[in-house]
Amino acid sequence: NAGVTQTPKFQVLKTGQSMTLQCAQDMNHEYMSWYRQDPGMGLRLIHYSVGAGITDQGEVPNGYNVSRSTTEDFPLRLLSAAPSQTSVYFCASSQGIGSYEQYFGPGTRLTVT
Amino acid sequence: RKEVEQDPGPFNVPEGATVAFNCTYSNSASQSFFWYRQDCRKEPKLLMSVYSSGNEDGRFTAQLNRASQYISLLIRDSKLSDSATYLCVVNNFNKFYFGSGTKLNVKP
Repeated sequence: NAGVTQTPKFQVLKTGQSMTLQCAQDMNHEYMSWYRQDPGMGLRLIHYSVGAGITDQGEVPNGYNVSRSTTEDFPLRLLSAAPSQTSVYFCASSQGIGSYEQYFGPGTRLTVT
Repeated sequence: RKEVEQDPGPFNVPEGATVAFNCTYSNSASQSFFWYRQDCRKEPKLLMSVYSSGNEDGRFTAQLNRASQYISLLIRDSKLSDSATYLCVVNNFNKFYFGSGTKLNVKP
């Protein structure tokens, strides 16, 4: 089991560029989510999905899109990168909602110049 | 108001000490509660879930007080390897809210 994988590990973008952060899990988990972590602010939920074909917004969704066409994959798209999106991005998955443990990927460190 | 608030620390303690962290949450309808551990520049990992009855896992004890809306974590007999940031996490209706974390440094 690879668990939750994220690519790339590091990325530098120029303002206005777009890109997709990839996330995949091989545990057949229904719930997947994207977070960003900024210094001193903890993790903040960007978007989440409770199953294939279903997505919803978290606390800080502006500037990001997601889709969930399969159970395994949950890509995060930055439409037009801004310096304020410089952050560490974590993808997570869990068997369900409630008391289930979330498993996190290793993170993507994104810098927007 | 933040959904989850934690004292950022750092808590600097000697090996063998007992240390306690608290966390408060704002939504009384919150459904489930967790402590995660995060090492520097790594992903968070579940330390333990928190139940109203309290739960213990070795040197770690977690408590939930729904009336006062706070969660606590007690670490006994601290080890050097306990040095990390401890994140309080609350689940509200499909969304997870993280505190900003409490940093613990255990010194020899």
